[in-house]
Amino acid sequence: EAGVAQSPRYKIIEKRQSVAFWCNPISGHATLYWYQQILGQGPKLLIQFQNNGVVDDSQLPKDRFSAERLKGVDSTLKIQPAKLEDSAVYLCASSSRLGDGYTFGSGTRLTVV
Amino acid sequence: KNQVEQSPQSLIILEGKNCTLQCNYTVSPFSNLRWYKQDTGRGPVSLTIMTFSENTKSNGRYTATLDADTKQSSLHITASQLSDSASYICVVSAYNNDMRFGAGTRLTVKP
Repeated sequence: EAGVAQSPRYKIIEKRQSVAFWCNPISGHATLYWYQQILGQGPKLLIQFQNNGVVDDSQLPKDRFSAERLKGVDSTLKIQPAKLEDSAVYLCASSSRLGDGYTFGSGTRLTVV
Repeated sequence: KNQVEQSPQSLIILEGKNCTLQCNYTVSPFSNLRWYKQDTGRGPVSLTIMTFSENTKSNGRYTATLDADTKQSSLHITASQLSDSASYICVVSAYNNDMRFGAGTRLTVKP
């Protein structure tokens, strides 16, 4: 089966600019996650979707981060405006249902300068 | 507070040697524990998953153990290869779907 697709792989922007990441989960996977992984740390959950509904966005900095999964399939994560501390790898993962083992995409490496 | 701690933070071994990575957790109520391998620039890939009743699980040269009483897990790598160089992340899930990631152990295998 095809894996979780993410784009772009790399992005460099200046602080205060906007950026968007895209994720296409494994076909049929109802649950989709966005994680932020700062260098040297484990991934931190930003937001979790079940179909097109938000299950958990308690750690999403909502003043600058937003995410949507309008049709319950692919998803976008946006940062507006970006800060230097947003430099990280943004990982998308999907699973067939809540709590199941899930598959990660290769991530988008964001550098804010 | 649900936490996952991994040790060591980094490890360097020679090719062909064995090594053991540790994961201690306080996540409760415990549902399952997963070990992931994350190559540089890639997303994590699942190695093993264990539930409360499982003590050990193998995946090729990787063997994970779980002691649910002491809330400890280990990942043993046998006959290491250069391709084993990666970060190994322990992820513990609670029954309320609260998932906690360890910071990972960075393993370097040298020839």
